[in-house]
Amino acid sequence: AAGVIQSPRHLIKEKRETATLKCYPIPRHDTVYWYQQGPGQDPQFLISFYEKMQSDKGSIPDRFSAQQFSDYHSELNMSSLELGDSALYFCASSLRRTTNTGELFFGEGSRLTVL
Amino acid sequence: NSVTQMEGPVTLSEEAFLTINCTYTATGYPSLFWYVQYPGEGLQLLLKATKADDKGSNKGFEATYRKETTSFHLEKGSVQVSDSAVYFCALSDPPIGGSYIPTFGRGTSLIVHP
Repeated sequence: AAGVIQSPRHLIKEKRETATLKCYPIPRHDTVYWYQQGPGQDPQFLISFYEKMQSDKGSIPDRFSAQQFSDYHSELNMSSLELGDSALYFCASSLRRTTNTGELFFGEGSRLTVL
Repeated sequence: NSVTQMEGPVTLSEEAFLTINCTYTATGYPSLFWYVQYPGEGLQLLLKATKADDKGSNKGFEATYRKETTSFHLEKGSVQVSDSAVYFCALSDPPIGGSYIPTFGRGTSLIVHP
């Protein structure tokens, strides 16, 4: 079965550079979530989209932005990167009308290292 | 909302009994989950319970939704080396508009030795 696809899997950037992460949800899923997981930390919710519109916003820095495109894939753009942005970034998807209990399907994550 | 898990790592020998404690605070009546993260992979749903006294179970793991103690402890009677992973407890409150946004605990690393 198709899963959530994230790219790239690994990314190394310098401070103050820009990075873009991509997420391709499970086909027919209408909701996409982005989470940030720092070393030894719990996943922190950043932002979600439903039917290509921003749905909920968590602890996403102003330097970050995200959008969901017409094909439902999503991109997380991170600018002016800081050392503290080094983390594993997860994308998850769900089908809202059947997700009345909050189950998400996660991708394998994109590991960002900022030097 | 918040989720508190016991700190790891939890180190066990194969066939030992496993308990990973999880307690939560939430408004309303949340659904509760255990997710598992194997090395190099994303989180996968292991089991869930949607109301008080429900028991979620999968792959020999079990957890019971205890509203009176606000707990959802994960148990397995006999662990295997292949169970070595990080386990996350999570809750999800019914939304007032918008989507469900699960809140995760910090994760508990389980290491099982042969």
